[in-house]
Amino acid sequence: ETGVTQSPTHLIKTRGQQVTLRCSSQSGHNTVSWYQQALGQGPQFIFQYYREEENGRGNFPPRFSGLQFPNYSSELNVNALELDDSALYLCASGREPNTEAFFGQGTRLTVV
Amino acid sequence: AQSVTQPDIHITVSEGASLELRCNYSYGATPYLFWYVQSPGQGLQLLLKYFSGDTLVQGIKGFEAEFKRSQSSFNLRKPSVHWSDAAEYFCAVGAMEYGNKLVFGAGTILRVKS
Repeated sequence: ETGVTQSPTHLIKTRGQQVTLRCSSQSGHNTVSWYQQALGQGPQFIFQYYREEENGRGNFPPRFSGLQFPNYSSELNVNALELDDSALYLCASGREPNTEAFFGQGTRLTVV
Repeated sequence: AQSVTQPDIHITVSEGASLELRCNYSYGATPYLFWYVQSPGQGLQLLLKYFSGDTLVQGIKGFEAEFKRSQSSFNLRKPSVHWSDAAEYFCAVGAMEYGNKLVFGAGTILRVKS
């Protein structure tokens, strides 16, 4: 039990739609990162937020965006969904950047 | 570019046998290193981490890993595998110089035969 919860656990969207995934971090964790894990691959870094500001970004297009809130919750938004966006999306939180990250159970997104 | 290689896609070991999972990284900076385990459809659980200090680190569930800077490796070991260890294992590397992302290997699927 990491204390990091994600919702929903599964969802199905249609190509072109928009989706919002949510994450609730442990109290005191000022850092949240989002990762995309395609089937059979390791997680790929999307971006990190620290104290509500973006603090690093991977090679993902601008249609992937995020927010972090003062209550240790965060969101990942994806616009104009594509079939290749189908993946497990993982949220990870930590006290500070470059410290150990604790992962949630993930949200399985299927785009049809 | 930063990269992490886990050369073995699948490994099968007998219950009670020893285990070593390999991880090599390419990083132009002083890395910090992690091993995570993932059961099917689940998130990642941290097994152990290395930031600095003693290069042999102990983790949960009887796992250990050794950081060898000269070989750019961080191999995971366990002296006696249990059937419940069957899962996928990921090595991950980060460095302050490269922002705050972790770079993951492609994973090694461990099968345990009784």
